[in-house]
Amino acid sequence: GAGVSQSPSNKVTEKGKDVELRCDPISGHTALYWYRQSLGQGLEFLIYFQGNSAPDKSGLPSDRFSAERTGGSVSTLTIQRTQQEDSAVYLCASSTGQSYGYTFGSGTRLTVV
Amino acid sequence: GEDVEQSLFLSVREGDSSVINCTYTDSSSTYLYWYKQEPGAGLQLLTYIFSNMDMKQDQRLTVLLNKKDKHLSLRIADTQTGDSAIYFCADANSNSGYALNFGKGTSLLVTP
Repeated sequence: GAGVSQSPSNKVTEKGKDVELRCDPISGHTALYWYRQSLGQGLEFLIYFQGNSAPDKSGLPSDRFSAERTGGSVSTLTIQRTQQEDSAVYLCASSTGQSYGYTFGSGTRLTVV
Repeated sequence: GEDVEQSLFLSVREGDSSVINCTYTDSSSTYLYWYKQEPGAGLQLLTYIFSNMDMKQDQRLTVLLNKKDKHLSLRIADTQTGDSAIYFCADANSNSGYALNFGKGTSLLVTP
């Protein structure tokens, strides 16, 4: 597609449940990033994929968070045993892997009740 | 981690110039960015500047970079009410795969 697509756009889940958030990057973009935006913490880097290299997971806040990218395209961010502090907007971005040309998706608003 | 700092709020009158300031601490930052986020919308890349430049102009936007002081500014000329949004400064370097390190954002309010 023309842009970065994220689904679902909104997700409400009960505390303790697992959730999966999906990102479809722009076709041909080799780099994919996940960020989290919350009121208290601003925009936080979570994880980064570049081509076939091992992902940079340095921003993941706990081992309840994981992400994978299948076939170098679609990515799924999984949060296990969700907590209320996980409530945030999760943003995905893709790029050509160079220093410019980041395109962000509209995000998934996650609410843990 | 390295910090990116911005003032949280700026209010200007329509037609005036807006200047949003940002400081960063990572001396290895090679690229600096300004993003705009309108209410309920995603992040839109406004402009970026390489660290070996000191100025970049793009229509109503002027970015100034003082690398020595690690200070970045975004000037919006003839500010309009449609410019009301949150503006994020971010830095990146190739060592971290150009992952963006964002400031907390400056809310710009443009009043008629």
